[in-house]
Amino acid sequence: DAGVTQSPTHLIKTRGQQVTLRCSPKSGHDTVSWYQQALGQGPQFIFQYYEEEERQRGNFPDRFSGHQFPNYSSELNVNALLLGDSALYLCASSSGPYGEQFFGPGTRLTVL
Amino acid sequence: AQKITQTQPGMFVQEKEAVTLDCTYDTSDPSYGLFWYKQPSSGEMIFLIYQGSYDQQNATEGRYSLNFQKARKSANLVISASQLGDSAMYFCAMREGLGGGTASKLTFGTGTRLQVTL
Repeated sequence: DAGVTQSPTHLIKTRGQQVTLRCSPKSGHDTVSWYQQALGQGPQFIFQYYEEEERQRGNFPDRFSGHQFPNYSSELNVNALLLGDSALYLCASSSGPYGEQFFGPGTRLTVL
Repeated sequence: AQKITQTQPGMFVQEKEAVTLDCTYDTSDPSYGLFWYKQPSSGEMIFLIYQGSYDQQNATEGRYSLNFQKARKSANLVISASQLGDSAMYFCAMREGLGGGTASKLTFGTGTRLQVTL
């Protein structure tokens, strides 16, 4: 039973570029939540996708957008990258929006 | 206002000893859940234990127990018989509400780094 998978593992971008991160949920899960974890901090909620729609959003600018596909996998897109976007991006999946969240290994993004 | 507070940036414990990691929270919602996660250096958040606000008894999962003091708004994690593999970051998190609205997101504290020594 595969858990939550994320790709890529690491990514290096320069300021102003755009990036796409991918997440495949645990088998049987239909909801994906994204979190940003800056160095030395706890994860911060970005948004959650359920039924291919963004159902809840944290305090992040519109440069952060996402998508959920019919197979429940999800993408996180960040436009016009800033140095401050450097972080570990964690994806969590659950069975329904209120189910227990299982986390993936994360994508470490470095913006130079 | 910070909703989850972890005041211990780092803790040391000897192998086989017990350790308590502190967590206090703030919410006006009578319905909430409290979680503890372990994050090793690999980055993945591993779920350890859950306590619902209406649960009458403190949660336990193997060597992990949660010391829930509702009136004091604290939810401390107790790890018994520490092992070298317990060395990691530990995060306390809260989910407000039992359904609807903002119920689904997790709010995390800043974490405590636990080092288990021989």
